[in-house]
Amino acid sequence: DTEVTQTPKHLVMGMTNKKSLKCEQHMGHRAMYWYKQKAKKPPELMFVYSYEKLSINESVPSRFSPECPNSSLLNLHLHALQPEDSALYLCASSQGRDRGNNEQFFGPGTRLTVL
Amino acid sequence: KNQVEQSPQSLIILEGKNCTLQCNYTVSPFSNLRWYKQDTGRGPVSLTIMTFSENTKSNGRYTATLDADTKQSSLHITASQLSDSASYICVVRAFDRGSTLGRLYFGRGTQLTVWP
Repeated sequence: DTEVTQTPKHLVMGMTNKKSLKCEQHMGHRAMYWYKQKAKKPPELMFVYSYEKLSINESVPSRFSPECPNSSLLNLHLHALQPEDSALYLCASSQGRDRGNNEQFFGPGTRLTVL
Repeated sequence: KNQVEQSPQSLIILEGKNCTLQCNYTVSPFSNLRWYKQDTGRGPVSLTIMTFSENTKSNGRYTATLDADTKQSSLHITASQLSDSASYICVVRAFDRGSTLGRLYFGRGTQLTVWP
């Protein structure tokens, strides 16, 4: 299985809602990532988990809360979002060791719309 | 400052024609460079990876080149197909001694449209 799956594919939420994005991989990867991508822009790194520990937080607002329950799962909890948070949220995973070509495999993304 | 610049921003070609996309980077220390294809609303998919010692690498109709001295890369697509319509993103990985993961720097992508 060389796939990163993300659910849901689409999500529409109000500014007072609480929702979660989910990401799963079964490639034995030990690093997982959350990216935010606005239209016609490159992905922007949000969080990195390495061996289930948060290793990078790119100064993301606290209304985004990541969670890594185990090495295969990565969640992104959303609360009190703003309309400008509407974007494609991409999850990725990689082996987690600096092997030179530590390829990140991306999921299909969750299209989030905040009303 | 670590940056990745791509050109052109967008490109329209006819089916069956060839095209070349450009990527210039200032990322240092350099670890590797990947070209990704991203269909609209989907996640990026890796096409090729180039390390410092590699000049050319092919993957089917895709051929990537790397000049590490001038810090330039190109992606050549031959005999284009309608399914090649997508955004092509150049991603450079910086080697980071303080991390086992390194840091990725993304270009803005070239939006390729193939017309029948």
